[in-house]
Formats: sequence, C-alpha cells, structure tokens
Amino acid sequence: NAGVTQTPKFQVLKTGQSMTLQCAQDMNHNSMYWYRQDPGMGLRLIYYSASEGTTDKGEVPNGYNVSRLNKREFSLRLESAAPSQTSVYFCASSDSPGGAFGYTFGSGTRLTVV
Amino acid sequence: AQTVTQSQPEMSVQEAETVTLSCTYDTSESDYYLFWYKQPPSRQMILVIRQEAYKQQNATENRFSVNFQKAAKSFSLKISDSQLGDAAMYFCAYSSWLFGNEKLTFGTGTRLTIIP
Repeated sequence: NAGVTQTPKFQVLKTGQSMTLQCAQDMNHNSMYWYRQDPGMGLRLIYYSASEGTTDKGEVPNGYNVSRLNKREFSLRLESAAPSQTSVYFCASSDSPGGAFGYTFGSGTRLTVV
Repeated sequence: AQTVTQSQPEMSVQEAETVTLSCTYDTSESDYYLFWYKQPPSRQMILVIRQEAYKQQNATENRFSVNFQKAAKSFSLKISDSQLGDAAMYFCAYSSWLFGNEKLTFGTGTRLTIIP
C-alpha cells in the first residue's frame, strides 16, 4: 500500500547511544516532517524538509539531526540519546502548498532511552 | 508563530449521542488549512476532516462536521451518532499556505471516551 514507512517500530537505547530512525514515502510528496509525541503535549515538530535538498528546524530540534537523502527518504538521527528523548516519533509527508490534501503519517516509532 | 489550543483534555459521550470537541487557533495569515486527526490506540494518525480557510461552507464527512468561525478563530468538531469505534485521541491542527512554511501545528489533543 502507498504511504509512509517508518523503521523501527520499537527501540530501547541506553543513554549516550546513537541511532537513526528511517522514513520513506512513495507518494512523490515534496515535503517531509519529523514529529515527537509526548503525553499532554500533542505532536511537536522536530525538523522538516519542504523539498529535496532542504531541511529546517522545527519547534524542538535540539539533540537531533536529519538528512533528506532523496525525495523519498528523510531520516532522523539521535547522536547521543538522553532520557528526555523517550517519546513516540512520527514521520509524515505532504504535497505542497499547505498540505492541501492532508498529511500522511507513518505508524510511529516508540523510543525508550534508559 | 501559529498556535492551536484544545481546552478539553478529556470528553465522554453516550453511544449514539452527539459530542462537540473545541479548538481555537491563533494566526495572522488569511489563507490556511485546518484539520482534525484521530489517533486510536493503534497509534496511527487518521485524517478525519479538513477545512480550507477561504471556504465559508463548513466541511462535513459522514457523521463528522465542523463549525468553522474564521473571525473567532474557532474550529470545533461535531461527531453525530457516536460509535464505540470513535473512541480515540483527537487532534486539531493548522497548516500554513506559505510556500516553504507548510508545517502542521497541533493542539494538545482531546481524549474521547464512548460510554456504551
């Protein structure tokens, strides 16, 4: 099925470890996003990429880096994981402008940092 | 910066009844999109309904409808004939039209419980 694929679905890290969350979409969307979801705080934007070759910080970028590898793929890297990064991470994509036909989300990655 | 506020952390409704979830937002833009997303326990984010700000007519999708008040910056969701499958977290969200600024800003969510 067409959509947004995130891997892995679950991950446990030790403090200080690094990892990369992978995201790929097959809808030929220009824009891709990484969000984190924490209880009582909704979804907050970490980084986004309005088009291939560009990335910009969102609301909570500290501790993260991203790479827009090509039009399909947008990865999120935690260089040195901290317990405060325990969260559910969502990747999303949209057409432009303004997500006229909505945003499509992946199924999320539950990350626990111990 | 745009902000989205959902003032009801939790709501409950009797099965088959109607419930309204509230959402307000703040923006200086005149053209934008508004969305309601549903997140069931499966964690998947599901688009329920969307509204273009330039359209005065309120959007409807089957049992779901919105009350869009642009001047008041209000965007409420009405669920009619509530069903057990409607139990979920509901998020209101805003998206700008501005090219390069098309990021979705979410409210903090309302957890909806359906009482059999």
